[in-house]
Amino acid sequence: DAKTTQPPSMDCAEGRAANLPCNHSTISGNEYVYWYRQIHSQGPQYIIHGLKNNETNEMASLIITEDRKSSTLILPHATLRDTAVYYCIVLLISSGSARQLTFGSGTQLTVLP
Amino acid sequence: NAGVMQNPRHLVRRRGQEARLRCSPMKGHSHVYWYRQLPEEGLKFMVYLQKENIIDESGMPKERFSAEFPKEGPSILRIQQVVRGDSAAYFCASSLLPVGGDTEAFFGQGTRLTVV
Repeated sequence: DAKTTQPPSMDCAEGRAANLPCNHSTISGNEYVYWYRQIHSQGPQYIIHGLKNNETNEMASLIITEDRKSSTLILPHATLRDTAVYYCIVLLISSGSARQLTFGSGTQLTVLP
Repeated sequence: NAGVMQNPRHLVRRRGQEARLRCSPMKGHSHVYWYRQLPEEGLKFMVYLQKENIIDESGMPKERFSAEFPKEGPSILRIQQVVRGDSAAYFCASSLLPVGGDTEAFFGQGTRLTVV
């Protein structure tokens, strides 16, 4: 799996957009980018994933650069409940092979009132 | 459609006892993954199972730990002769197809094991 690099921590004001960056400079053409978050002591929560096109769902938007070497998760209107550790994961398509999500250190996002 | 269900949510065992952690995947999901999170540490992959088969157990400790996912019923993570160092949160995830590509995995709320 390609390695990812995320800042260890970020702050964001409540109501503002939270932009969480992730570098994955060694990503290959068939690797998807996944985002999960873990709110204190809870199970990881799936947020969004994408290959090369920007993606949006009810939780967030995922912007992937054209060269796919980095991506940004955007929470459009952060709330206090969005305070969590956010994980960027790159996972290989490998039909028939054993794959698993490998969690790094993530980014601790703190939403401030 | 209920999410991934884990039970018990909290489990206390004395040193030397056995711990059994159960995971019921989301309906229709036949792929199950177990993770462990030690206090103040990250999530570490333990084992990946598909109905009745262990696909990848590269993260499982060599001794005392075992996992199964029978044809009927939940997946079970079994820890024999628990020690204090086994105290952790154990999370289970499930997916419809092998995770990756366009397939995401969904996690349960975990079982918090405390060994006294």
